[in-house]
Amino acid sequence: GNSVTQMEGPVTLSEEAFLTINCTYTATGYPSLFWYVQYPGEGLQLLLKATKADDKGSNKGFEATYRKETTSFHLEKGSVQVSDSAVYFCALTFSGGYNKLIFGAGTRLAVHP
Amino acid sequence: GAVVSQHPSRVICKSGTSVKIECRSLDFQATTMFWYRQFPKKSLMLMATSNEGSKATYEQGVEKDKFLINHASLTLSTLTVTSAHPEDSSFYICSAREMTRRETQYFGPGTRLLVL
Repeated sequence: GNSVTQMEGPVTLSEEAFLTINCTYTATGYPSLFWYVQYPGEGLQLLLKATKADDKGSNKGFEATYRKETTSFHLEKGSVQVSDSAVYFCALTFSGGYNKLIFGAGTRLAVHP
Repeated sequence: GAVVSQHPSRVICKSGTSVKIECRSLDFQATTMFWYRQFPKKSLMLMATSNEGSKATYEQGVEKDKFLINHASLTLSTLTVTSAHPEDSSFYICSAREMTRRETQYFGPGTRLLVL
């Protein structure tokens, strides 16, 4: 079946550190891939997405590259800020039909000054 | 950008009562809305998919008579938790898909339900 696996958290970093949150997927076709972020007390927000192999999604200093050969979509940021503290969800969906999103378990990031 | 609202943001009710949660797309038309449930420190579990004007499609294991979904217009879907019990306490999140951007879902801020 289709699934998304994320690295377990929490991830704790100091401000300005480099961030990587791993995400791999299992899919029967060629999905679109997403990263969503959930700030404390808020709903999910789309952070970035990529719709085909080798695409790079980027937003707010975050980026992730769709790697078909390794079925991965790792999230990276060169220098994190305290305001990046949140839960990050990797997800996939397929075109057509109801576009059901399949989420990973989420990775909590805590950035300290 | 596309905005989805939910109402109420939190609700406390007694066991046995029913609770209705509204999900609205404020600045776009959503042919499809999704309802999720999120347990503490867990991922989102899709409960059902609703299409405007038709019956909702429920995920396996979700009781459709317990969680009634109505999608009466292109901007409104409602989830009614009937005869709520403490185990229904959770964070309920809706999302809406814009007609012209089928792969992107916009999420509401969520509704925290506490059943006493």
